[in-house]
This record gives sequence, structure tokens and C-alpha cells, in this order.
Amino acid sequence: NAGVTQTPKFQVLKTGQSMTLQCAQDMNHEYMSWYRQDPGMGLRLIHYSVGAGITDQGEVPNGYNVSRSTTEDFPLRLLSAAPSQTSVYFCASSYGSNSPLHFGNGTRLTVT
Amino acid sequence: AQSVTQPDIHITVSEGASLELRCNYSYGATPYLFWYVQSPGQGLQLLLKYFSGDTLVQGIKGFEAEFKRSQSSFNLRKPSVHWSDAAEYFCAGAGTASKLTFGTGTRLQVTL
Repeated sequence: NAGVTQTPKFQVLKTGQSMTLQCAQDMNHEYMSWYRQDPGMGLRLIHYSVGAGITDQGEVPNGYNVSRSTTEDFPLRLLSAAPSQTSVYFCASSYGSNSPLHFGNGTRLTVT
Repeated sequence: AQSVTQPDIHITVSEGASLELRCNYSYGATPYLFWYVQSPGQGLQLLLKYFSGDTLVQGIKGFEAEFKRSQSSFNLRKPSVHWSDAAEYFCAGAGTASKLTFGTGTRLQVTL
């Protein structure tokens, strides 16, 4: 049982480049979300989705875009990378609003 | 504003000693509350959760937490710490279990 799978594990981008962080879950979870983790700041919610075709913004959505075309996948797009987006990104999923989150192992992104 | 506060950035305990990690929350109603643990380079693993009911909740790895409404606290405890418990611990809360606000984390060091 793979759980929540994130790819890539590491990525280096130059300022202005775009890329997509992939997230897939095999637990048939309706709810999926993206967090970023920065030292001393805990995890902050970027975007989330309560089901296929439905997305919404979290606490820090600027510079990121998401879509949810299937239940399994929830990619996070960086439109034009900036050094401030250097962070560790975590994808998480759950059965619904009353269920605990299951986290992937993260993607470490560096923007130079 | 809704928030979760972990006042201790770093704690060091001796192996075999007891542990208490502090967490305070600020929500209008009783939130869903969680403790997660993160080992280096890994995602977050759920230790325990509180939704309602019994205010003392048991989790995995011998951890427990007590919800105290009067003190707006949800402190994590363990009677006897093992060296393998060294990690970063995050308290999180939300009006719904899947849209979490995280504290800034407490790094636990265990000395032998």
C-alpha cells in the first residue's frame, strides 16, 4: 500500500522557471492538500481539494496553482519560481473533513 | 484568529525520563486537535487525535495527550522516553480535521 506518493524528492530551479510537483494517493481519499514547511514556521496550507474538480485556497496560495481532475492526483504548479518558494512541500490526503491527514514524504525545492 | 502555539522550540530529556510537550490553541469552539511526529527527511506521522469525548487520548508509541478546555491546552506526554523518540513534534488544530493549522514544532533531543 503506497499511501501518498510525492515526486520528485528533490528539485532545483532557477528564478522564473515553472514546474509541477506531483502527488498521488491510492487510498481513495476525497480530501487532498498541499503544505509548505519552513524553519520555525511549521506547516502552512497552500491549496486544498475536497474532491475531483473542486479546489480552494489555503493560507499561502500566491504563486501556486492546483487542479484536481481525478481523485488520485493533486499536482501543485509553480508558475514562475521565486527564491521565497524555497521550501519543503508536503502533500496530504484524508477520507474527509473529519479524518486525520496522511502525509507524503515531501519534496525539497530550492530556487536559486 | 485561530492558532496553535508550541512555546518550546527545543527540549532535551534523558532517556527514561518523562516528557511533556506543550501545545496551546486559540479557537472559538473546540477544535479537532492532533499531534504529529516528523523524523528527519520524512513526512509527518499521526501520533494521536482528539475530536470530542474523553479528554485523555492515547496514541501510538506510548504517547498520550490531555485536552484541557480551561487552559486551552493539548499537551503531549510520555512516561519514559526512548532514544528513538528524538524527532520534531507538531501540534495541529482545525475547525475541520483536514484543514489544519500547525504549530511551529518542538524539536526533541534525547540524551543517553
